[in-house]
Amino acid sequence: QVLLQESGPGLVKPSETLSLTCVVSGDSIRNGHWWSWVRQPPGKGLEWIGEIYHSGTTNYNPSLKSRVAISVDRSTNQFSLKMISMTAADTAIYYCARVYSMVVAPLNFDFWGQGTLVTVSS
Amino acid sequence: EIVLTQSPGTLSLSPGERATLSCRASQSVGSNYLAWYQQKPGQAPRLLIYAASSRATGIPDRFRGSGSGTDFTLTINRLEPEDFAMYYCQQYDKSRTFGQGTKVEIK
Repeated sequence: QVLLQESGPGLVKPSETLSLTCVVSGDSIRNGHWWSWVRQPPGKGLEWIGEIYHSGTTNYNPSLKSRVAISVDRSTNQFSLKMISMTAADTAIYYCARVYSMVVAPLNFDFWGQGTLVTVSS
Repeated sequence: EIVLTQSPGTLSLSPGERATLSCRASQSVGSNYLAWYQQKPGQAPRLLIYAASSRATGIPDRFRGSGSGTDFTLTINRLEPEDFAMYYCQQYDKSRTFGQGTKVEIK
C-alpha cells in the first residue's frame, strides 16, 4: 500500500512563500513513477500544480509555472513544493499524489495523500 | 490547454438507479488518456477509471467508463449509498486538466 503524507504550515501570510513536503511510504520515489501536487480551493474543483521524476525532471501547470518549484529528496523518499508570492486566491487544500507511469511517461494519479489545508491570511 | 466540461453539474437519483455522467473535451484526448475520480467530503479523490475504460484496482464493476476522442462517459449501474459523491474527469494527454465535477446526490 502506497501512502503519502503532506506536511507544512496551515497559515501563510500574503506575499510569503509556501513550503510543503510529501513523505512517501510503501514505494520508492526511484521506482519509475512521477510525483505530483494538486490543489483544491474550499468548495471548488481540482487544479494540477506540477510533477517531478526522481531524476529531478519537472512539469508544471503553465498558469502557475512562474511561481512554483518542485524538488525531490531521494535519500528521504520525499518531495516538496515551493510556491512564491502567495495570495488569498491560493487558499486551498494541497494534495500530493503518485502519478502512475509507464516507460517514464506520466499517466494518471493513482495514490493520494489526505491533503493539507493552507490558508493565506495576514 | 484541453478544457474538460462535465455535465450535468448535479445529478439527483435514488439508490438502485443508473447514473450517467458526461465529460466533453475541447479537443481530442489522445490515446484515451482520460481518468475518472470519486471524491467524498473531507477525503482525497480516489481513482476509479483510467485510460477511459479500465477500472482501477478494487473498483466494483458497477462503475463503467467509455468513450474516445472528445466524448467520455462514466456510468454507475445500480447506485449504492456510498456512490453519492463528487466525480471528476481528468485528461493526461496534454499536460493535465480536470473537469469542474458532477455531484451525484440522493433524490
